[in-house]
Amino acid sequence: RKEVEQDPGPFNVPEGATVAFNCTYSNSASQSFFWYRQDCRKEPKLLMSVYSSGNEDGRFTAQLNRASQYISLLIRDSKLSDSATYLCVVNPQAGTALIFGKGTTLSVSS
Amino acid sequence: GAVVSQHPSWVICKSGTSVKIECRSLDFQATTMFWYRQFPKQSLMLMATSNEGSKATYEQGVEKDKFLINHASLTLSTLTVTSAHPEDSSFYICSAPGHLYEQYFGPGTRLTVT
Repeated sequence: RKEVEQDPGPFNVPEGATVAFNCTYSNSASQSFFWYRQDCRKEPKLLMSVYSSGNEDGRFTAQLNRASQYISLLIRDSKLSDSATYLCVVNPQAGTALIFGKGTTLSVSS
Repeated sequence: GAVVSQHPSWVICKSGTSVKIECRSLDFQATTMFWYRQFPKQSLMLMATSNEGSKATYEQGVEKDKFLINHASLTLSTLTVTSAHPEDSSFYICSAPGHLYEQYFGPGTRLTVT
């Protein structure tokens, strides 16, 4: 079983749509969780951290369920500029390397 | 936030030659840096952990004699791909851990071996 698994995608949605990405992780002892965004041929950039209480940043909402080892990202009112690959990322402990999912590609069209 | 640079941003080399990639922390010191590799449509995979003043730690399946890592100072780690072959063509990215769970990524180096 892969350490971090994501929806295979790609997701092709019209502008204004709501889209949800899911992710599961295998190491129950993992300490922190993130969603990163990666544009083509670029380094990944932190989109948001994910907490059990859920957190929201504008149109983006992330949720963590430790019991089921499940992470989600919801994007509301999709914009063309949201087109990118979204990476589910787990950090086993502070100061160690990140573990990346394969990524889910989102394409928003007008 | 903290800045990590990488050089070169892209490189094309002939099979059999060696290529050195530099990763620098510009405004902070990094005793540890991580080197990742990403093949097309694949996830970033950790290759090795670079430790200042000591030997790097390589992940299973990564040849330490082929991917030479040197972390000679608190702001510079280098990855040298020796005797590069077309299958080494990939996107190489370094990162350095920051406070708690933060990580700062370099912009990446795209290597094409012909």
